[in-house]
Amino acid sequence: AQSVTQLGSHVSVSEGALVLLRCNYSSSVPPYLFWYVQYPNQGLQLLLKYTTGATLVKGINGFEAEFKKSETSFHLTKPSAHMSDAAEYFCAVSDPGGYNKLIFGAGTRLAVHP
Amino acid sequence: EAQVTQNPRYLITVTGKKLTVTCSQNMNHEYMSWYRQDPGLGLRQIYYSMNVEVTDKGDVPEGYKVSRKEKRNFPLILESPSPNQTSLYFCASSRGSLSGANVLTFGAGSRLTVL
Repeated sequence: AQSVTQLGSHVSVSEGALVLLRCNYSSSVPPYLFWYVQYPNQGLQLLLKYTTGATLVKGINGFEAEFKKSETSFHLTKPSAHMSDAAEYFCAVSDPGGYNKLIFGAGTRLAVHP
Repeated sequence: EAQVTQNPRYLITVTGKKLTVTCSQNMNHEYMSWYRQDPGLGLRQIYYSMNVEVTDKGDVPEGYKVSRKEKRNFPLILESPSPNQTSLYFCASSRGSLSGANVLTFGAGSRLTVL
């Protein structure tokens, strides 16, 4: 069965510092991978996704993630945090074989301090 | 504007009082789904629908019902709510199935409290 593990339920960084949110997955087949962001009192919106091809994926708002098959990881990074990045971030995986759902991680809440 | 609309956004109810959370999308999406979000558990799928009159259980369907009589609407029904259904609920839709890596568009969420 597929599963997603996000290390660290809360991450705190200073404005301008590197953001690193960790995501590891387990899947019997190469999956599709997603990062979604949830701002306060809003629904989730897509940051970026990996399907096939280039393993470094760029998303919105300066975020990017790298798919590392050997490590079964899809960590999210941003070189310089901004106050507006404070939100909850969810890693998710879907099975190209046909499961009609996304499996979400538990989420990581990012706090950005001045 | 392309969107998924959920109502109500906030609801406090009592155990056993039937309620319906409506969901409507204006993107002509085939796929619709309901998730619940609980602290430390992320989002878990309740039910999904591949098209009109086609629905199936997700991971946590107990205590919920759905229907898909029209393509745009996918209501979530709690026939006899219980306190363990207190949660934040999200409706989402997508063009085609998720096996094609299609992206989900989420509603703003409905926060339900069952006393």
